[in-house]
Amino acid sequence: DAKTTQPNSMESNEEEPVHLPCNHSTISGTDYIHWYRQLPSQGPEYVIHGLTSNVNNRMASLAIAEDRKSSTLILHRATLRDAAVYYCILKTSYDKVIFGPGTSLSVIP
Amino acid sequence: EAGVAQSPRYKIIEKRQSVAFWCNPISGHATLYWYQQILGQGPKLLIQFQNNGVVDDSQLPKDRFSAERLKGVDSTLKIQPAKLEDSAVYLCASSFTGQGYEQYFGPGTRLTVT
Repeated sequence: DAKTTQPNSMESNEEEPVHLPCNHSTISGTDYIHWYRQLPSQGPEYVIHGLTSNVNNRMASLAIAEDRKSSTLILHRATLRDAAVYYCILKTSYDKVIFGPGTSLSVIP
Repeated sequence: EAGVAQSPRYKIIEKRQSVAFWCNPISGHATLYWYQQILGQGPKLLIQFQNNGVVDDSQLPKDRFSAERLKGVDSTLKIQPAKLEDSAVYLCASSFTGQGYEQYFGPGTRLTVT
């Protein structure tokens, strides 16, 4: 199964940008990179996804390396509400999705 | 647009009892997932349906867990008999079919086995 690796935890100051890295060296050509986040006591929520090109939406930006073996989720201005566990996952053929332990993001006021 | 619905939200049972969880996905979503999330861990995929067919159930403990999706809409996940290690949050998610579509998660059912 295609796997991703992320740091266990990260800290950021409020209102500063946050760059959350993800490595996926075994990605195949058709795998999509998806990011989800999970706030305490809630189900995961979708953040952003991409295949090859960088992507932007109202929540975040996704920067994908040219060789697609790594990606970075960018939160442009961290707020206290962004404190959550962030999961980088690959959506493979047959829509299979495997979650890892994710990165726990703390935001310091 | 209505989200993914799950019930019950909380359930407490004794070990060796049985329990069932229900999920109603977003209308039009052919793909439905059941996950188990143990405290402090990421969600673990138990079973994936496309319409009413099983795509992946490789991590479903089939001696005690079962799931069905009759008519390709609602789904139920059953545990019989429950063990202490089954205490977890059970999440249901749905999506349109295709790698470019995101999953939408329900609020989950928190199961405590005593």
